[in-house]
Amino acid sequence: DSGVTQTPKHLITATGQRVTLRCSPRSGDLSVYWYQQSLDQGLQFLIQYYNGEERAKGNILERFSAQQFPDLHSELNLSSLELGDSALYFCASSASWAGGEQFFGPGTRLTVL
Amino acid sequence: SQQGEEDPQALSIQEGENATMNCSYKTSINNLQWYRQNSGRGLVHLILIRSNEREKHSGRLRVTLDTSKKSSSLLITASRAADTASYFCATYNAGNMLTFGGGTRLMVKP
Repeated sequence: DSGVTQTPKHLITATGQRVTLRCSPRSGDLSVYWYQQSLDQGLQFLIQYYNGEERAKGNILERFSAQQFPDLHSELNLSSLELGDSALYFCASSASWAGGEQFFGPGTRLTVL
Repeated sequence: SQQGEEDPQALSIQEGENATMNCSYKTSINNLQWYRQNSGRGLVHLILIRSNEREKHSGRLRVTLDTSKKSSSLLITASRAADTASYFCATYNAGNMLTFGGGTRLMVKP
């Protein structure tokens, strides 16, 4: 158990809908990262927050947004969902803002029908 | 885009044998990390090797790093069925993004 929690574990929704994925980092970790894992794209970095501020941005679509709250939990919002958004979404956390090991949550499996 | 690329893409061995996976990357790095992922589960950090280190051990794992060739290898000795998983190398790019290779799928047959 990494200490990172994600909810929900599974999510099934329809095209055009909006969903929110939630992540709680390990106790004391200030950085939260979001990743998308799909069969065709592999594991892709989406975005990082450090202590409430956006720190790095990767291949995140404009339909997706994230935020980190004062209690350090983070939410990833996915809107106008398309079939191709079906994937595993992972959250990870780390103590530092750059360079170290990351601790991954169990993931949320999103299925868009 | 992927910074690291693992080789082979898939590996099947018998329990007790050693498994070697290779990773190549493109740009200069401060460190290189290896992660394991059991099917559909979250990634587990295995080991981090810094750019000024050439070899590092952790239990049955041995990692080497050759910065002149921009490559790393992960050796799992005396493999067990429980080692069946996908293994990824990962490095940070200039934008502080941890980028992963495509992974090596390891199957250890009992």
